[in-house]
Amino acid sequence: DTAVSQTPKYLVTQMGNDKSIKCEQNLGHDTMYWYKQDSKKFLKIMFSYNNKELIINETVPNRFSPKSPDKAHLNLHINSLELGDSAVYFCASSQWSGGSSYNEQFFGPGTRLTVL
Amino acid sequence: RKEVEQDPGPFNVPEGATVAFNCTYSNSASQSFFWYRQDCRKEPKLLMSVYSSGNEDGRFTAQLNRASQYISLLIRDSKLSDSATYLCVVNMPSYDKVIFGPGTSLSVIP
Repeated sequence: DTAVSQTPKYLVTQMGNDKSIKCEQNLGHDTMYWYKQDSKKFLKIMFSYNNKELIINETVPNRFSPKSPDKAHLNLHINSLELGDSAVYFCASSQWSGGSSYNEQFFGPGTRLTVL
Repeated sequence: RKEVEQDPGPFNVPEGATVAFNCTYSNSASQSFFWYRQDCRKEPKLLMSVYSSGNEDGRFTAQLNRASQYISLLIRDSKLSDSATYLCVVNMPSYDKVIFGPGTSLSVIP
């Protein structure tokens, strides 16, 4: 009955590798997000998709590539992993309300990425 | 000035105490305000939305002061289970996104 799910929950990998994180939501929302929470606990938005279209692309290295095959899924692929990529990555979803106001975001449990 | 600022704490309070957190935001056009709660090693979850007229949910009261551009969260009769990080969230209308504040850490002590 999980609303927003992410896999894997933990990811430990070597520098230079390529990895993917998957996210799925069963809430019927039309907007999905990727956030990064670093060791200082700052939660920063990386990407946002509305109806499979990219609407937010923060200043994130182009090694990070999101992909939304449909409204219920938003995956994140990371190429050439670096030490500084170590963080917790959260997926979230919400129902778009037009941009002038916002609805609640529902978060997945997070993926703890460690780059060695 | 940062987009959303909070006192990081930590706030260490005894059970039963009343504690208040403030959050300031920089964009006067912001219209949506929230408090989220994040437990250690867990995802953030909505605690409450903040309405212009202020709102209350049990022991929790949220207030908005548009003139001074801050929102507050008051927790009465603190419980051990209130120990968490409280995140202030504000929308940025020009950018179609919300900004999460750095969070305020609360520890309720027996």
